[in-house]
Amino acid sequence: TQLLEQSPQFLSIQEGENLTVYCNSSSVFSSLQWYRQEPGEGPVLLVTVVTGGEVKKLKRLTFQFGDARKDSSLHITAAQPGDTGLYLCAGARGGSNYKLTFGKGTLLTVNP
Amino acid sequence: SQTIHQWPATLVQPVGSPLSLECTVEGTSNPNLYWYRQAAGRGLQLLFYSVGIGQISSEVPQNLSASRPQDRQFILSSKKLLLSDSGFYLCACFGGQWQFFGPGTRLTVL
Repeated sequence: TQLLEQSPQFLSIQEGENLTVYCNSSSVFSSLQWYRQEPGEGPVLLVTVVTGGEVKKLKRLTFQFGDARKDSSLHITAAQPGDTGLYLCAGARGGSNYKLTFGKGTLLTVNP
Repeated sequence: SQTIHQWPATLVQPVGSPLSLECTVEGTSNPNLYWYRQAAGRGLQLLFYSVGIGQISSEVPQNLSASRPQDRQFILSSKKLLLSDSGFYLCACFGGQWQFFGPGTRLTVL
């Protein structure tokens, strides 16, 4: 059973455009993490959100955790080719991050 | 900060051959360690996790096994590889509030 659904699965846009990717679940998570992965490398953590309704900004990236802590979104403003990669969300339950449930990811391509 | 090493980086093995992938961690003690497999560059499937030396939990039935002979060493093994074992294997460490990942091993079983 896939507990975290990410959408869209694939996204190809032009440099300078804005985009939003989504991570949805019917389950409540104590925290949710976003990772970015480049081909042939391990995922790199971008952000962790913990509080329902929390919004975090990382330069051009804005992350939001849903009020009910079941969903999250990632918004990128003025995308650049360097933003290209696989964006993965992962949820932790029970107040511990020792086991994460991962979504299947959104593969983003930003064309120059 | 934690650093995770994995080797080899890539591996091509025939069906039926044994496997040993190694993961070592620096910069922390008594970490939780994890093995994930990623197919076709998509989502990660948790295979094993360990909360301490000699303590292994398996998440899915499979052809693989894991061992933790030392505090900061985690090994993924198989006695006989299957074609379906091909994939990108990632080792991860729980760093207090989130997981850090190693660089991965690309395994191709032919």
